[in-house]
Amino acid sequence: DIQMTQSPSSLSASVGDRVTITCRASQNISTYLNWYQHKPGKAPNLLIYAASTLQNGVPSRFSGSGSGTDFTLTISSLQPEDFATYYCQQSYSILYRFGQGTNLEIK
Amino acid sequence: QVQLVQSGAEVRKPGSSVKVSCKASGVIFSNYAINWVRQAPGQGLEWMGGLIPIFGTTHYAQNFRGRVTISADKSTSTAYMELSSLRSEDTAIYYCARVGGISYFFDNWGQGTRVTVSS
Repeated sequence: DIQMTQSPSSLSASVGDRVTITCRASQNISTYLNWYQHKPGKAPNLLIYAASTLQNGVPSRFSGSGSGTDFTLTISSLQPEDFATYYCQQSYSILYRFGQGTNLEIK
Repeated sequence: QVQLVQSGAEVRKPGSSVKVSCKASGVIFSNYAINWVRQAPGQGLEWMGGLIPIFGTTHYAQNFRGRVTISADKSTSTAYMELSSLRSEDTAIYYCARVGGISYFFDNWGQGTRVTVSS
């Protein structure tokens, strides 16, 4: 199985901050990397697919980059509604493993 | 518009089984894979397995092989996830999700089904 490792596991930030979350795959996954936002009581929401393509309706303050084994999710200017848990997911293999998540909290 | 609607909350005793359904609408069911993901209390998202209806093929995460069965009824556009030999650690919210696009992302999700395992 391809292992996915996210860092940090938690992050405190303020509204307006720029934050970056990283995700590392245990082997080359090209750009088969997706990012999701998950809030309590709701289903996860796809933010970015293919490492850098913004899903329809997702604000442009979200961006993704990377290829191979190293990827980043950046939120350029945090908004109150962005405080949530973020997960990366590889889709290179049909065994669609997620990273362990990054809990983004209000400072 | 694609919608995935899951069955309601379940309570089960340890050692028993649970079967959760996921009915799709607004999409040609057979054309897309359906996968299952769970989140236990205080834990992250855990991919369980998936099904490609048009081929009838299934694939499961190592952690669940032998305990989980994913199936589908194409006539009703409904996918199912059955988990057996339940233990307290299986208490979680279970989600179905559709795999879309050529990059294989989960673009549509069910609302989640809470399963509680308690004696």
